Amino acid sequence: DAKTTQPPSMDCAEGRAANLPCNHSTISGNEYVYWYRQIHSQGPQYIIHGLKNNETNEMASLIITEDRKSSTLILPHATLRDTAVYYCIVRVWKAAGNKLTFGGGTRVLVKP
Amino acid sequence: DGGITQSPKYLFRKEGQNVTLSCEQNLNHDAMYWYRQDPGQGLRLIYYSQIVNDFQKGDIAEGYSVSREKKESFPLTVTSAQKNPTAFYLCASSLGTGGNQPQHFGDGTRLSIL
Repeated sequence: DAKTTQPPSMDCAEGRAANLPCNHSTISGNEYVYWYRQIHSQGPQYIIHGLKNNETNEMASLIITEDRKSSTLILPHATLRDTAVYYCIVRVWKAAGNKLTFGGGTRVLVKP
Repeated sequence: DGGITQSPKYLFRKEGQNVTLSCEQNLNHDAMYWYRQDPGQGLRLIYYSQIVNDFQKGDIAEGYSVSREKKESFPLTVTSAQKNPTAFYLCASSLGTGGNQPQHFGDGTRLSIL
């Protein structure tokens, strides 16, 4: 699976949009971009994923560049409960053993 | 509500003792997974199962065992052969194992050694 690079930390003001970047310059054509987050002492929470088109759901939007070498997760109106570590992952379409490999992630602190 | 339930939330093991962690899902997912997370670390895959009565070793299966007798259940046994069992254990499930199938996680079991 392709390696991802994320900033180690970022702060965000409550009520503002949080834009979380991820670089995955070695991504291949059959790899999906996934985002998860993990709040302290809880299991990771799935947020969103995409292949090449931009995606939106009730939690966030995912913007993938045309060359697919980077992406941005957008939390449209950050709340204090969005404080967590956010992980960007790429996953290949594979028949078996499709494990998730989490990198360092971005520690997001939403401030009042 | 549909989801994944792990129990207990906290578990203590004595030296030489086997303990079993429970994982139940009502999402009608075929695939289930067990991961281990150590402090400040990412996830490491212990075992996974694509279908009932079938399971495969992950990257760190030594000292662990699993069963998959029912679609909804995938218990993990931490045996006395696992010399460093203190960790946060996470169970996940997905509709299938393809790259387009997100894995959904339970809230974990924290295992400590007495």
